[in-house]
Amino acid sequence: AIRMTQSPSSFSASTGDRVTITCRASQGISNYLAWYQQKPGKAPKLLIDAASTLQSGVPSRFSGSGSGTDFTLTINYLQSEDFAAYYCQQYYSYPRTFGQGTKVEIK
Amino acid sequence: QVQLQQWGAGLLKPSETLSLTCGVYGGSFSAYYWNWIRQPPGKGLEWIGEINHTGTTNYNPSLKSRVSISVDTSKNQFSLKLSSVTAADTAVYYCATYGSGSSLDYWGQGTLVTVSS
Repeated sequence: AIRMTQSPSSFSASTGDRVTITCRASQGISNYLAWYQQKPGKAPKLLIDAASTLQSGVPSRFSGSGSGTDFTLTINYLQSEDFAAYYCQQYYSYPRTFGQGTKVEIK
Repeated sequence: QVQLQQWGAGLLKPSETLSLTCGVYGGSFSAYYWNWIRQPPGKGLEWIGEINHTGTTNYNPSLKSRVSISVDTSKNQFSLKLSSVTAADTAVYYCATYGSGSSLDYWGQGTLVTVSS
């Protein structure tokens, strides 16, 4: 199985900050990567597909980049509603695997 | 617009079989693969497996010996069975499917399944 490793596991930030979360795959996955946001008690929400394609309705302050093994999720000008957990997921091969998650907390 | 509504027993004893069903409303039932994902309390997401309308399945090898996913196209439903559960299977279980891309765009509301004697 492809291992997905996110960093950091958690961090504190302030509204207005620019934050970057990284996701590394244990082998190349081209751009077969998704990013999800999850708030407490809720199902994950798809933010980005194909490493960099923003889903309809997702604010443009979110962006994704990368290909191969290294990927990033960037949130420009962090808003209060962005404090949540974020997960990457590869769909290059089976089994589908997720990163362990990154929790963005209020400083 | 696809909507997923899931249901099933929330409290099991060790060695019992977990059984959950997900109803699909809207969209084309034959167009997608239908997935199950779980999340232990306070932990990350684990993909369990998926099925399409013909019954073709893909399973996570870590659970394959205990998992069965089935589909009922007449009811637009798909189901998960996980046998011989232990406390380690305690988790919120989600059904989910793809949108226009290849990522999981539609999710059920989640069902907390607790395994306890």
